[in-house]
Amino acid sequence: QSVLTQPPSASGTPGQRVTISCSGSSSNIGSHPVNWYQHLPGTAPKLLMYSDDQRPSGVPDRFSGSKSGTSASLAISGLQSEDEAEYYCAAWDDSLNGLYVFGSGTKVTVV
Amino acid sequence: QITLKESGPTLVKPTQTLTLTCTFSGFSLSTSGVGVGWIRQPPGKALEWLAHIYWDDDERYSPSLKSRLTITKDTSKNLVVLTMTNVDPVDTATYYCARLRLAFDSWGPGTRVTVSS
Repeated sequence: QSVLTQPPSASGTPGQRVTISCSGSSSNIGSHPVNWYQHLPGTAPKLLMYSDDQRPSGVPDRFSGSKSGTSASLAISGLQSEDEAEYYCAAWDDSLNGLYVFGSGTKVTVV
Repeated sequence: QITLKESGPTLVKPTQTLTLTCTFSGFSLSTSGVGVGWIRQPPGKALEWLAHIYWDDDERYSPSLKSRLTITKDTSKNLVVLTMTNVDPVDTATYYCARLRLAFDSWGPGTRVTVSS
């Protein structure tokens, strides 16, 4: 059972906008920046977003992040076939001395 | 260019000790604010953070696994070692190491570990 809750799946057609939610608590999202990772099968996870809404170099601006209270969201605009992957939110958690927690993951399908 | 690579056994018997090594290049673990962590993904399940160690030797462990994990670093050799004792089939997973700054920003390709008799 992940501390951060995500919907198991999301889908959209090419060009559409898809939003993934991540729900936490005051000890994690409510107190710390949120990071997002993209994971394609058979490859290494990739940092997609850090500090709530900052894109690492090379990440297209189609990806955007936001946070409000104890929830965060990742939006993918102009959905492309190569965006089909598993997406994880993550954050530090104060409840147990420097714990890092991942969300349950959301599988994005481009239909 | 930052690279990390995990190495270790692909098959381990239950109750044995698993030792995984992360060898990295392109950064130093003596740099302030830098760490290296381990994350795993059991088949069909989500990513799970295991442990990390910082440049100043600060170590953190997943509470559920803390009694079984030890993380160490060798700054001069650019490597981090994770030891997991008393492994069980539920520890079957792909194990990743990753550089840690504000987030895990560079990852190794992962190493698949199966725990089976």
